[in-house]
Amino acid sequence: GENVEQHPSTLSVQEGDSAVIKCTYSDSASNYFPWYKQELGKGPQLIIDIRSNVGEKKDQRIAVTLNKTAKHFSLHITETQPEDSAVYFCAAVKAAGNKLTFGGGTRVLVKP
Amino acid sequence: DSGVTQTPKHLITATGQRVTLRCSPRSGDLSVYWYQQSLDQGLQFLIQYYNGEERAKGNILERFSAQQFPDLHSELNLSSLELGDSALYFCASSVATGSGGRTDTQYFGPGTRLTVL
Repeated sequence: GENVEQHPSTLSVQEGDSAVIKCTYSDSASNYFPWYKQELGKGPQLIIDIRSNVGEKKDQRIAVTLNKTAKHFSLHITETQPEDSAVYFCAAVKAAGNKLTFGGGTRVLVKP
Repeated sequence: DSGVTQTPKHLITATGQRVTLRCSPRSGDLSVYWYQQSLDQGLQFLIQYYNGEERAKGNILERFSAQQFPDLHSELNLSSLELGDSALYFCASSVATGSGGRTDTQYFGPGTRLTVL
């Protein structure tokens, strides 16, 4: 089955700096890659996603890049703010399915 | 607010007991998914239902079962509970099944925290 690895497990950045989280997946049949943000006591919230026919997608301060050849994708957060502090999960989904396989999560702390 | 509701928010029970977790999907969504989040296993897919029928199964124990009712709400039943079943259980919903090559976005509920003593 699919395996998703996520790095780093923790990330501490100064407010205003950028944060980058990287994920690799094992199954070349995966074609949908969402990113979720989970705040304390809440469920995962979708923040951005990318499909395999696209190399990059941006939404304000958040961007995701996908390298299908290398089977990795990354989340970039620019101009970080204290409210960006949370746990971020990447996930991968195989074509013709909806089962999310999650990475292990990255705890991001933005220091004011 | 994702539009997915889960009850109860917290559940404390003893080993060997049985509990039922309830989920109502977003309006218009036909698929419901259950995930388990634990410290050692992370977020893991358990099972998917679409319009009342089971569509996909993940690492769901035989002691666990689920169903989706005609009004599309779903219940996850956990029986013969063990200490290791303590976890957060999330329900997610999406419009359709994900088949046909197009994967649908999944929206998560706030979760049920299960503590087995």
